Amino acid sequence: AQSVTQLDSQVPVFEEAPVELRCNYSSSVSVYLFWYVQYPNQGLQLLLKYLSGSTLVKGINGFEAEFNKSQTSFHLRKPSVHISDTAEYFCAVYGGSNYKLTFGKGTLLTVNP
Amino acid sequence: EPEVTQTPSHQVTQMGQEVILRCVPISNHLYFYWYRQILGQKVEFLVSFYNNEISEKSEIFDDQFSVERPDGSNFTLKIRSTKLEDSAMYFCASTYRGETQYFGPGTRLLVL
Repeated sequence: AQSVTQLDSQVPVFEEAPVELRCNYSSSVSVYLFWYVQYPNQGLQLLLKYLSGSTLVKGINGFEAEFNKSQTSFHLRKPSVHISDTAEYFCAVYGGSNYKLTFGKGTLLTVNP
Repeated sequence: EPEVTQTPSHQVTQMGQEVILRCVPISNHLYFYWYRQILGQKVEFLVSFYNNEISEKSEIFDDQFSVERPDGSNFTLKIRSTKLEDSAMYFCASTYRGETQYFGPGTRLLVL
């Protein structure tokens, strides 16, 4: 079974500041890792994913994440955030013989002017 | 770009009534899913569907729930007798090979 821990439920930052949203996972098998973003009153949009290969993956809207197998982490980063990045961000893991995604509880990123 | 669509976007129903939530997955995808998100909580897996049968279901997916792929395009979630605690956003997702899942915009279900 897999589990995902998002360490911060809320992260407030000022516009143009850097941000890191933390995600740790546990799994007994190799995993695929994802970040999804949910804007207010909208569905889930894929931000980026790690399937294999380079541990640094780049996604949409200037976000990137680094897969660290030894620390079982997949933290999301952006060097300079915009007001429009205000949203809920979900880390998710998929692996093993089942096909479901297991989500973390989400991190609400609030970008203030 | 192809996308997953869901109807209706909002549904209000009385407790005990049956509801059917509809999804049209991306056309060449083979695996289909339903998830739900109770307000303020995380997204939870309900059921996965492949080759016209359920491949996995969660503890939430009890006998009140059923899924069906009635034709080559639709994928439905039926709740036979809704309860107050079924109020949530329900997301449909699909994938070609089981890796990257693409989500629909969701159906917000309110049970009164």
